[in-house]
Amino acid sequence: EPEVTQTPSHQVTQMGQEVILRCVPISNHLYFYWYRQILGQKVEFLVSFYNNEISEKSEIFDDQFSVERPDGSNFTLKIRSTKLEDSAMYFCASNSDRNTEAFFGQGTRLTVV
Amino acid sequence: AQKVTQAQTEISVVEKEDVTLDCVYETRDTTYYLFWYKQPPSGELVFLIRRNSFDEQNEISGRYSWNFQKSTSSFNFTITASQVVDSAVYFCALRRYGGATNKLIFGTGTLLAVQP
Repeated sequence: EPEVTQTPSHQVTQMGQEVILRCVPISNHLYFYWYRQILGQKVEFLVSFYNNEISEKSEIFDDQFSVERPDGSNFTLKIRSTKLEDSAMYFCASNSDRNTEAFFGQGTRLTVV
Repeated sequence: AQKVTQAQTEISVVEKEDVTLDCVYETRDTTYYLFWYKQPPSGELVFLIRRNSFDEQNEISGRYSWNFQKSTSSFNFTITASQVVDSAVYFCALRRYGGATNKLIFGTGTLLAVQP
């Protein structure tokens, strides 16, 4: 069964460093998302991406964040200068159509020290 | 504004008991989608069900059933004869139908612990 794949599963980085979280969405999907979940809290929307551009972003998704689809398969989230409060589980998701369910990857746990 | 409330933070049951997880939502939209996702201890988010607001039929899938009541803005999830493998955090979520956004609005989740 096709699935969304995220790498790495866990990343530890020093405050102020740049990180790139990688995702391979399901191959025929057109809509891509990043969500995050601070430990023990709810899942929060960060950004959605369609047709090679951001279609929506939340207040969390400030200038420190960017997304890219560099080729036909990868979808990346970059945090330019990480802060301690960026520590969270980051989930990538995709769906084939805006009216269908989104399928999530297994997440990348980011720890900023 | 859209909001999802899962008032039950944690529920603990003994295996084979039935358990219902509550979900109440707020939206001004007349059409929308509701979802349940499961987050087992391994951390991934697993899709369970999607329901359109214009379809109020209840749904059953094996030991799982969902009760959608538009009149009370609730979309409750029942697990019959619970098993230890059902132990997880369960999230209810809301999404607009059409329009410029298709982001999911999640509730805070309910941690279900099923004891053997």
